[in-house]
Parts: sequence; structure tokens; C-alpha cells
Amino acid sequence: GAGVSQTPSNKVTEKGKYVELRCDPISGHTALYWYRQSLGQGPEFLIYFQGTGAADDSGLPNDRFFAVRPEGSVSTLKIQRTERGDSAVYLCASSLGVQGAGNSPLHFGNGTRLTVT
Amino acid sequence: GEDVEQSLFLSVREGDSSVINCTYTDSSSTYLYWYKQEPGAGLQLLTYIFSNMDMKQDQRLTVLLNKKDKHLSLRIADTQTGDSAIYFCAERASGGSYIPTFGRGTSLIVHP
Repeated sequence: GAGVSQTPSNKVTEKGKYVELRCDPISGHTALYWYRQSLGQGPEFLIYFQGTGAADDSGLPNDRFFAVRPEGSVSTLKIQRTERGDSAVYLCASSLGVQGAGNSPLHFGNGTRLTVT
Repeated sequence: GEDVEQSLFLSVREGDSSVINCTYTDSSSTYLYWYKQEPGAGLQLLTYIFSNMDMKQDQRLTVLLNKKDKHLSLRIADTQTGDSAIYFCAERASGGSYIPTFGRGTSLIVHP
């Protein structure tokens, strides 16, 4: 079946602009995660959804970052007033859910590479 | 993440075994994962182990877990050039919100 799909694959924007990054999870996966990966680093947690609600947003760096998942499937990560330090690969992952967590490991998309000039 | 530590680089010759090591700090970790990332791609799940297991084998991959020392290793037998990638260790605790925490990754370079 189809994996996690992220669009766009690359996004170049100017400092101060607004961007939206989209994630389409695996069908039937109720849990959805956003991570950010900077060069030479591992994925850093941003936010986690269980269904439509953000169950844990403790990783969002500041109030310029926001994410939604209105129908419990597709999610959009929104970044306002982008800064050069926001440049990174934004990874989305989905899983069947929290219960029996190890049996429902995270499946990742290929990421969106965001470059802020 | 600072809770999961990995060495940054490993270089091996084709045909040799590779051993990638990881240490973690959270004693409540229940699941530990190994992911592989090739250039320009997302993370691909390789294998995972539950904390009540000591070892798990899957074809060329062997995972060893020393829960007392909080040490996890991934052994790749008969390493091939196609195994060259970055390997991430991740742990998931039983409490809290089950958010997996990743290490910085080990870059495996396989020489012909």
C-alpha cells in the first residue's frame, strides 16, 4: 500500500514568509508525528496527533509553528514569519496508534526540505 | 536527542560484519528501534526489540539489548555497499506520551 506522502519535497522561501507543509499518512493510521531534522542531527520531535487532536505539542520551538489535522488524516504544519534557522528537513510519520506501541512503529515519509533565504 | 547516544561514524570493508552501538538513559524504555536513512530519503524501519528480550535476529540483522547497561547494538552480517547509510537508534518509554526519541545517527561507510 501507499506510504506516508509529504508535499512539497522541496520548498524555498524568503525570510519572513509563511509556509505550509503537508503530510498524508498511511490509511488507517490514527497517530501522526512531525519531526524536524537539521543537518547532521537526528530527528527532533515537534508535535504528535492522536486522531484530530494534538496530544503532545511540547516540541514546537515557538508560537510561529502550528499544526492541524482537522479530519484525523492529512496534517499541515504551518510556519509563520520564517527565519533562516527554520531551514531543515521536516519529517512526518504515522503509526497505528499508541496502544501496543511497539507493534505500531513509526513509518516515515521522505520529508520536505525547507530552505529559508 | 541527548537521551540516546551513538557514535557518529563507522567504516567497514564489504563482506565484513558491522556493529553499530547505542546507549540510552531512560530505564522505562519499552521499545527500541533501528532505522536506516539513505540520502534524500526518510527513515526506514529496520527492526525493533521489546525490552524483555535480549536478542532479536532478522536475516542479516542481529539486535542485542543489555538492559542493565542500557546498551543496544545492531550487527549487520556480510555488509554490502548498499548498506551504506545513516543508522538511527530510537527509544520509546512506557510512560508519558510514547514519543520516540532518536539519536544523532551513525554514518556507515562500506568500502568495496
